Amino acid sequence: NAGVTQTPKFQVLKTGQSMTLQCAQDMNHNSMYWYRQDPGMGLRLIYYSASEGTTDKGEVPNGYNVSRLNKREFSLRLESAAPSQTSVYFCASSLAGGRNEQFFGPGTRLTVL
Amino acid sequence: QKEVEQDPGPLSVPEGAIVSLNCTYSNSAFQYFMWYRQYSRKGPELLMYTYSSGNKEDGRFTAQVDKSSKYISLFIRDSQPSDSATYLCAMSVGGGADGLTFGKGTHLIIQP
Repeated sequence: NAGVTQTPKFQVLKTGQSMTLQCAQDMNHNSMYWYRQDPGMGLRLIYYSASEGTTDKGEVPNGYNVSRLNKREFSLRLESAAPSQTSVYFCASSLAGGRNEQFFGPGTRLTVL
Repeated sequence: QKEVEQDPGPLSVPEGAIVSLNCTYSNSAFQYFMWYRQYSRKGPELLMYTYSSGNKEDGRFTAQVDKSSKYISLFIRDSQPSDSATYLCAMSVGGGADGLTFGKGTHLIIQP
């Protein structure tokens, strides 16, 4: 099992460009999450999906949109990238919500110039 | 006041020492507590998962939760240079699909 996979690993964007970060899990988990990690700020929740067909905002959702494509895949879209969105983005999944362990992907390192 | 407080370190100890890492929190509704290890430029790796108060041991690692004091700890016995990493505490209320609330992480250095 690959666990949680993310693409791309690295990306450089110019201000105003758009992009989609992809995440997939093969653990048959119901819940999926997107976090960002910034120096001195720790990991913060952007959006989450309790189950296929549902999505909800987390702590820092502004400037992002998400799509739960199916049970396996959960994508994060930046419609108009800003330098403040320079960060490392992690996708995670859990069997069923906050009662269960969350497993993380390797991350996408994004720089917005 | 941030919900979860964690000393960022760095914490430097000699190989073989017992390491104690700690977090305090303010939200008494937290019930699920986790410790993650993160190597440089890698994703967080789950080390320990505990529910409510008590101790849990797994090999060289012991997690303790004291809900009355809102304090959690991770102990590492016989520390190795390969334990050098950032350790993140995380916790959740456990309702629905809520995400985790993280501490900022403690950078640990084990000196050979």
